[in-house]
Amino acid sequence: AQTVTQSQPEMSVQEAETVTLSCTYDTSESDYYLFWYKQPPSRQMILVIRQEAYKQQNATENRFSVNFQKAAKSFSLKISDSQLGDAAMYFCAYFGGGSEKLVFGKGTKLTVNP
Amino acid sequence: DAGVIQSPRHEVTEMGQEVTLRCKPISGHDYLFWYRQTMMRGLELLIYFNNNVPIDDSGMPEDRFSAKMPNASFSTLKIQPSEPRDSAVYFCASSFRLAGYIDEQFFGPGTRLTVL
Repeated sequence: AQTVTQSQPEMSVQEAETVTLSCTYDTSESDYYLFWYKQPPSRQMILVIRQEAYKQQNATENRFSVNFQKAAKSFSLKISDSQLGDAAMYFCAYFGGGSEKLVFGKGTKLTVNP
Repeated sequence: DAGVIQSPRHEVTEMGQEVTLRCKPISGHDYLFWYRQTMMRGLELLIYFNNNVPIDDSGMPEDRFSAKMPNASFSTLKIQPSEPRDSAVYFCASSFRLAGYIDEQFFGPGTRLTVL
């Protein structure tokens, strides 16, 4: 079964600085999708960014970008110019392998210090 | 579109009572998912539907939990009887799928359930 591991339960960053959240996954599949979801204190789950495994180019969305290392099964999220509103739980998720389920990591709590 | 709608947003009930959570997916989405989130266990998939048909309910913790999707625009998750350990945030999510393309799952705002 596919698994997703987020090894950093908590992270902190100074406002305007850059932070990287780690995610590794285990799969034997070659075709799959990876996602980062953000869950602020309002608890609404919001998609931050997605990556298709067949794409070699790393996805970017404004201040958010990923470092997708397929061979290493690594999918880290970089947040540039961190803002107070970025404070949230961040979940890495995997989708693929014929399964129709999203597999979530345990999450990383990001604190942004002013 | 209003997004995925869940009701109620908060539910407080006493042990032994029946609880019904409701979800309206995004129009046109053919997949609907029910999740439970707790501090201890994180996000757990309970059950999901495709075109109103339950596909996988292996995550449903026990027979006290049941879910239905009578039509494409409505689903319920019922707990009967409820127990304090059922206290959690319950999310509904929906998505659609085309050949060769997987859309993201759109989540509702969640229902915070407290069983006293």
